[in-house]
Amino acid sequence: AQKVTQAQTEISVVEKEDVTLDCVYETRDTTYYLFWYKQPPSGELVFLIRRNSFDEQNEISGRYSWNFQKSTSSFNFTITASQVVDSAVYFCALDSNQGGKLIFGQGTELSVKP
Amino acid sequence: GAVVSQHPSRVICKSGTSVKIECRSLDFQATTMFWYRQFPKQSLMLMATSNEGSKATYEQGVEKDKFLINHASLTLSTLTVTSAHPEDSSFYICSASRTGPHSGETQYFGPGTRLLVL
Repeated sequence: AQKVTQAQTEISVVEKEDVTLDCVYETRDTTYYLFWYKQPPSGELVFLIRRNSFDEQNEISGRYSWNFQKSTSSFNFTITASQVVDSAVYFCALDSNQGGKLIFGQGTELSVKP
Repeated sequence: GAVVSQHPSRVICKSGTSVKIECRSLDFQATTMFWYRQFPKQSLMLMATSNEGSKATYEQGVEKDKFLINHASLTLSTLTVTSAHPEDSSFYICSASRTGPHSGETQYFGPGTRLLVL
């Protein structure tokens, strides 16, 4: 079975704190893809990152970084020095040999307070 | 680019009427478009996969006759909610990918349409 689990339903931090959003996935496929999307209050999902199963290099983009570990089936997302504008729901998603279909986690609602 | 638009952004309709939602890829051609439904505080639920020039593939439990999908061109897909009822009230989101349906293609999402059926 394919599944994505985001165990943290809600996280609240104070501005400038670092925060890590967890994502654990399940799949039996050897080739798969993982994504993170941000959904601000406006509703539109914003693409953040795509990672294939053969690339375990960690990625950094500005204040955002991602830690992909196949050994633990995790693809965690860290925001450094969080800002109020980072407040949103963040979704982790898996594309695992399903013709492009995405399996979404339940989402983590991040609230960054000033 | 990779901009996807949806129209309308919000719609209120009476029970029993039909509502059409448009999804357009503005700066790329989208072979495949996906339609999702999202309830408050919940994740996205895939309703159907739409490929240009062919019939949509619906997920289990989604009524084909209730949610009509047409993907007439490489930049436009429409979702028509027929004979809408209050339980159809939801946030409908489309996404588009440049190629597909292939695994690994990034989906770019539209801003969503909030439907309220009275």
